[in-house]
Amino acid sequence: QSVLTQPPSASGTPGQRVTISCSGSSSNIGSNNVYWYQQLPGTAPKLLIYKNNQRPSGVPDRFSGSKSGTSASLAISGLRSEDEADYYCATWDDSLSVVFGGGTKLTVL
Amino acid sequence: QVQLQESGPGLVEPSETLSLTCSVSGYSISSGDYWGWIRQPPGKGLEWIGSMYHSGSTYYNPSLKGRVTISADTSKNQFSLKLSSVTAADTAVYYCARDHLLTMPGRIDPWGQGTLVTVSS
Repeated sequence: QSVLTQPPSASGTPGQRVTISCSGSSSNIGSNNVYWYQQLPGTAPKLLIYKNNQRPSGVPDRFSGSKSGTSASLAISGLRSEDEADYYCATWDDSLSVVFGGGTKLTVL
Repeated sequence: QVQLQESGPGLVEPSETLSLTCSVSGYSISSGDYWGWIRQPPGKGLEWIGSMYHSGSTYYNPSLKGRVTISADTSKNQFSLKLSSVTAADTAVYYCARDHLLTMPGRIDPWGQGTLVTVSS
């Protein structure tokens, strides 16, 4: 059981916009920044979004993040086949540990 | 650029201690930041194990506390993970990574490629 709650799956067709939610509590998302990771099949996770809505260099602006209260969202616009991956949210928790969401498997139909 | 590489046994017997090493290149672990471990059981999600600062400060996942030790060998620019009393539930891909706990707790990058450790007799 993950501390942060994500939908197990999401899907969309090429060109569509999809969003993935991440729900937490006042002890984690409510008081800390949210980070998003993309894990392509068979590879290590890669930082996608930091500090709620910032993109590292090299990450396309099709990816955007937001946070409100104890929830956060990742949006992917102009969906492409190469976006098919697992996506994880993460943040710091008052238990003095990093906590992850359970992950969302994105399928591009 | 910072690169990390995990190494260690791919098979550990139940009740034994799992030991992995992470070799860092492109950055001295003594220069700053935390360095940590994350694991992923086959077909499941990510679990943060813990992180350490070169001075010895550590943070561990409360669910694993008591079994985990993360330490550094600054002379080799490496850090290591020891997980004691392992069971089949500890079978996972283990990743080492740079953990930005000081400035952006929750930000983990870059990651090593990961190494699969199977607990079985």
